[in-house]
Amino acid sequence: DAKTTQPPSMDCAEGRAANLPCNHSTISGNEYVYWYRQIHSQGPQYIIHGLKNNETNEMASLIITEDRKSSTLILPHATLRDTAVYYCIVRVANDYKLSFGAGTTVTVRA
Amino acid sequence: EADIYQTPRYLVIGTGKKITLECSQTMGHDKMYWYQQDPGMELHLIHYSYGVNSTEKGDLSSESTVSRIRTEHFPLTLESARPSHTSQYLCASSEFIGRGTSYTFGSGTRLTVV
Repeated sequence: DAKTTQPPSMDCAEGRAANLPCNHSTISGNEYVYWYRQIHSQGPQYIIHGLKNNETNEMASLIITEDRKSSTLILPHATLRDTAVYYCIVRVANDYKLSFGAGTTVTVRA
Repeated sequence: EADIYQTPRYLVIGTGKKITLECSQTMGHDKMYWYQQDPGMELHLIHYSYGVNSTEKGDLSSESTVSRIRTEHFPLTLESARPSHTSQYLCASSEFIGRGTSYTFGSGTRLTVV
């Protein structure tokens, strides 16, 4: 699986958009980009995933660059409950193992 | 609503005891996983299973063992617990949903060996 690089931490103001970057410059054409988050050592929670098109769901938006070497997770209106560690993971569809890196610790401040 | 259940939620046990951490899922997923996570640290895959009677070791070496006799059940066993086994253990399952794989995690078992 391709390696990902994320900033170790970032702060965000409550009510503002949080933009979380992820670099995956060695991504292969058949690898998906997944985002998960873990709130205070609970089990990781799925947020969103995509292959090459931008994706949006009720939780977030995923913007993938045209060359697919980086992506951004957007939380449109961050709340205090969005404080968590966010993981960007790339993997091929037929490899079912999910490997987590260090992630980005996001702190939403009032 | 959780479809994957881990018990116990917390466990404090003495050195040398045998323990089994339970994980069950009601979604009929073939693939299941165990992760280990020390406080403030990364999650590491220690075991996985692609179906009944299938078990494999993960990326991080672990002294624990697993079994998969039924689709819904994936218990993890430590024959002789040691303080170095103190950690959080998270169970997960997954299914392929056409546009990728969906993973569901349990709430974890926080193990303390004294």
